[in-house]
Amino acid sequence: GQQVQQSPASLVLQEGENAELQCNFSSTATRLQWFYQRPGGSLVSLLSNPSGTKHTGRLTSTTVTKERRGSLHISSSQITDSGTYLCAMESGGSNYKLTFGKGTLLTVTP
Amino acid sequence: GPKVLQIPSHQIIDMGQMVTLNCDPVSNHLYFYWYKQILGQQMEFLVNFYNGKVMEKSKLFKDQFSVERPDGSYFTLKIQPTALEDSAVYFCASSSSAETLYFGSGTRLTVL
Repeated sequence: GQQVQQSPASLVLQEGENAELQCNFSSTATRLQWFYQRPGGSLVSLLSNPSGTKHTGRLTSTTVTKERRGSLHISSSQITDSGTYLCAMESGGSNYKLTFGKGTLLTVTP
Repeated sequence: GPKVLQIPSHQIIDMGQMVTLNCDPVSNHLYFYWYKQILGQQMEFLVNFYNGKVMEKSKLFKDQFSVERPDGSYFTLKIQPTALEDSAVYFCASSSSAETLYFGSGTRLTVL
């Protein structure tokens, strides 16, 4: 079945450093979506990107569909960025079903 | 932003009992989803629902599971009867066009 692999599994940064999170997927995706999962569990949609590069605030999402990979860059990390970042792929004709990766646990320290 | 509400946040029931998980989706949304996340594992798709019908369901959506949205009220996931392996956090999501999915905070189901 479809698989989404995220790396690294965990990442510890000092405040102000940049983070680069990777996502690889096993089959053709029409879009990658990035979510932030708070320690309490709720999800927040960050970016939805079919291909190319998209920015919002300190976040940059890059998707290279034909190479089956994507990345999320977080610049100038803040302590409040700590949490789990989930990559999810959507396949064509999937009725908008998302296949999630296991996530990258980001910890930003003072 | 738009909010999807899930009530309650935690339910504890005995194995074999029925449970209904409630989701109050964003008011003008048409697509509804349930996802399941076992502790420490990835989020997995269960089912999506549109125009009163199940559009697609995964292998995790067992015969004991059912979904409905009677008269535009809560979107519900019913499990009858429950099994120990049903213990997980169940997330509801809704969307107007699938460009962005809005997730609820989840209901943690504990089956004893």
